[in-house]
Amino acid sequence: AQSVTQLDSHVSVSEGTPVLLRCNYSSSYSPSLFWYVQHPNKGLQLLLKYTSAATLVKGINGFEAEFKKSETSFHLTKPSAHMSDAAEYFCVVSERYSTLTFGKGTMLLVSP
Amino acid sequence: NAGVTQTPKFQVLKTGQSMTLQCAQDMNHNSMYWYRQDPGMGLRLIYYSASEGTTDKGEVPNGYNVSRLNKREFSLRLESAAPSQTSVYFCASSEDVVGDTEAFFGQGTRLTVV
Repeated sequence: AQSVTQLDSHVSVSEGTPVLLRCNYSSSYSPSLFWYVQHPNKGLQLLLKYTSAATLVKGINGFEAEFKKSETSFHLTKPSAHMSDAAEYFCVVSERYSTLTFGKGTMLLVSP
Repeated sequence: NAGVTQTPKFQVLKTGQSMTLQCAQDMNHNSMYWYRQDPGMGLRLIYYSASEGTTDKGEVPNGYNVSRLNKREFSLRLESAAPSQTSVYFCASSEDVVGDTEAFFGQGTRLTVV
């Protein structure tokens, strides 16, 4: 069975400082992994996805994530936070021929 | 390019009332999903339809029914609403139910049951 754990429910950063949102997964097979972002009162938008190609995945808005099989992790990073990055972020895992399983979310707060 | 459209955006129901949430996608996707989002719980799958004519239960199906009306439309019905069904509901679609395809989400329906 697949599952995902987001290690922080809230992360606070200052504008211009790096962002790190942590995610660990569990999967019986080689999974696909995703990060989605949800801005307040909006739907979810795909940031990036890993599907067994390069382990370092680049997404939109300067975000990237690294797949580390030995650590079963897929942490999301960004070198410099912007005010517009304030949102809730979801790490998602999926095995082949399986639906998406969401983590509980990490709220990113960005202060001026 | 509308993507995934959900109606209504907001709804207040009294306990015991029924209602249907509508969802339509214009991307010619085979698979459609209904999720509910509750604070601190992430999104949990209620039902999904892998292809037209099929539906399957997800993680939290109790109290809900679905209909895949055609390839475009997938509705969610609450037959007798309960306060525990107060939530934000999201419809999504993807090309297929396979592990590496992107899911596209609607804007959500905020439902309150009093």
